[in-house]
Amino acid sequence: TQLLEQSPQFLSIQEGENLTVYCNSSSVFSSLQWYRQEPGEGPVLLVTVVTGGEVKKLKRLTFQFGDARKDSSLHITAAQPGDTGLYLCAGAVSGTSYGKLTFGQGTILTVHP
Amino acid sequence: DAGVTQSPTHLIKTRGQHVTLRCSPISGHKSVSWYQQVLGQGPQFIFQYYEKEERGRGNFPDRFSARQFPNYSSELNVNALLLGDSALYLCASSLGLAGRLDTQYFGPGTRLTVL
Repeated sequence: TQLLEQSPQFLSIQEGENLTVYCNSSSVFSSLQWYRQEPGEGPVLLVTVVTGGEVKKLKRLTFQFGDARKDSSLHITAAQPGDTGLYLCAGAVSGTSYGKLTFGQGTILTVHP
Repeated sequence: DAGVTQSPTHLIKTRGQHVTLRCSPISGHKSVSWYQQVLGQGPQFIFQYYEKEERGRGNFPDRFSARQFPNYSSELNVNALLLGDSALYLCASSLGLAGRLDTQYFGPGTRLTVL
């Protein structure tokens, strides 16, 4: 069974601060995705990383895939209230159905003005 | 283009009843996956269907079943509802490519409450 441990579970910060969310596993994933979910809506894909050591940037968001493809991080620079939401990491395992994603438990981010 | 659509948006049932949830994938997508998201947790994989065949099943009891139709839409059925089945049920569609970049696109979900 593949498990993804996400930390922290809750994060409450002031506008302008930086933050990092971590996603760790003992399993190797062929790809890892980060989603953001608003209340009452489905998750929206932010990024997919597939290569060990890969770094992707999306405006103020930086995503990194660990060298061994077992962990990932999401770093937000100068957080804004619009960044508030549930952030989820999800991994796909090679050799299994690619429609099967294993999700972390999520990080609830609140950015106060 | 329309995204993934799900119906109904909300549903209230009582214990022991059954429920059918529906999903229409993005046009051109042949794969549909179902997930259960309990409040405060990440989604958990239930089923994947591709070209009307089951391709994967998560750790859920036989009370959960699904099917995919020729137009690639899908239904999730849950029998003998329990209180613990209360959750947001998410449908995700994808092209069904056999590769690492078969991106899943999620619908808004159906909120099921079992009383």
